[in-house]
Amino acid sequence: DIQMTQSPSSLSASVGDRVTITCRASQPISNYLNWYQQTSGKAPKLLIYGASSLQSGVPSRFSGSGSGTDFTLTISSLQPEDFATYYCQQSYRTPLTFGGGSKVEVK
Amino acid sequence: QVQLQESGPGLVKPSETLSLTCSVSGDSLRNYYWSWIRQPPGKGLEWIGYIYNGASTSYTPSLKSRLTISLDTSKSQFSLSLNSVTAADTAVYYCARGRLFFYFDLWGRGALVTVSS
Repeated sequence: DIQMTQSPSSLSASVGDRVTITCRASQPISNYLNWYQQTSGKAPKLLIYGASSLQSGVPSRFSGSGSGTDFTLTISSLQPEDFATYYCQQSYRTPLTFGGGSKVEVK
Repeated sequence: QVQLQESGPGLVKPSETLSLTCSVSGDSLRNYYWSWIRQPPGKGLEWIGYIYNGASTSYTPSLKSRLTISLDTSKSQFSLSLNSVTAADTAVYYCARGRLFFYFDLWGRGALVTVSS
């Protein structure tokens, strides 16, 4: 199985901050990397697919980059509704696997 | 607007079978990877498996021996059956629509299933 490791597992930030979350795959996965946002008690929501493609309806302050084994999700200016947990997911090979999550909390 | 909705018992006894159904409204079931994903309380996401066009399935190896995913296009539903459950199977179970490159663009609200006697 391909292991996905996210860092940090949690971070504290303020509204307006630039936030960066990283995801590392245990083997190269090209650009088959997706990002999701999960707010408390709700289903995950797709933000980014194919490492850098913004899902329709997602604000442009979210961006993704990377290829191979190292990937990044960036929120350019954190908004109140962005306090949530973020997950990466590899779609290169089954079994599809998720990272452990990165929780963005209020500073 | 496409919507997914999970349904099924919220409580299952150990050693019995967990059965859930996902009803899909507003879209055809063809050409998507209809998937199940679960999340134990306070933990991360685990992909369970998918069914594609009613004929092709893929399951996560750790559950494969206990798992069946099926599709009923006449009812616009797909289903999950997991037998011989234990407390470790307690989780919120999500159904989701998988696109061509296996990312999930639509999710149900989730159904909490507790395994307990």
